[in-house]
Amino acid sequence: NAGVTQTPKFQVLKTGQSMTLQCAQDMNHEYMSWYRQDPGMGLRLIHYSVGAGITDQGEVPNGYNVSRSTTEDFPLRLLSAAPSQTSVYFCASSLSAGASTEAFFGQGTRLTVV
Amino acid sequence: AQTVTQSQPEMSVQEAETVTLSCTYDTSESDYYLFWYKQPPSRQMILVIRQEAYKQQNATENRFSVNFQKAAKSFSLKISDSQLGDAAMYFCAYNSAETDKLIFGTGTRLQVFP
Repeated sequence: NAGVTQTPKFQVLKTGQSMTLQCAQDMNHEYMSWYRQDPGMGLRLIHYSVGAGITDQGEVPNGYNVSRSTTEDFPLRLLSAAPSQTSVYFCASSLSAGASTEAFFGQGTRLTVV
Repeated sequence: AQTVTQSQPEMSVQEAETVTLSCTYDTSESDYYLFWYKQPPSRQMILVIRQEAYKQQNATENRFSVNFQKAAKSFSLKISDSQLGDAAMYFCAYNSAETDKLIFGTGTRLQVFP
């Protein structure tokens, strides 16, 4: 019963370093997305994917890259970390794109950039 | 663009009492869904309840119910017989069939006192 698995759970980066946040789901969901959660701002959409090979930008995409080579995996890459990217990151998946489908979330990654 | 507003950053309720969390949204779309998600201290996002815009009947899930006023673009969550385990951050969210993007409000932190 894994659902959506995010790794790592915690990470500290130095400014300018790069890293990849991993996200995997075992529910054969087509739709996957990345959010960042900041105090007082709720969850904001970074990037999303409606299926393997297809990605698109959300509300706050700058500084982040994604790819979707398989249905299961949707990694989020920070190319050159900045203190403004300090946040909690959530990966989510749902059965398909569409207004009615429930989103399932990973446990989140707390990222600190110093 | 669609927006979701939660005007109550914090709310508190006594155990066994009833509390209502407010949410308003702005959209020009006709086909959409609304959700309430709960985020306890564990950080896990949990779906509480969903409402289809085309349904006039308010959704209910055990102690949780919504008051959906489509013309007023209002979607409040009522928690009856509050329990200590209801203490969490609650997020209102909007999803439309046109954009495939789940948009969140800024959240309301609910405290439950014994």
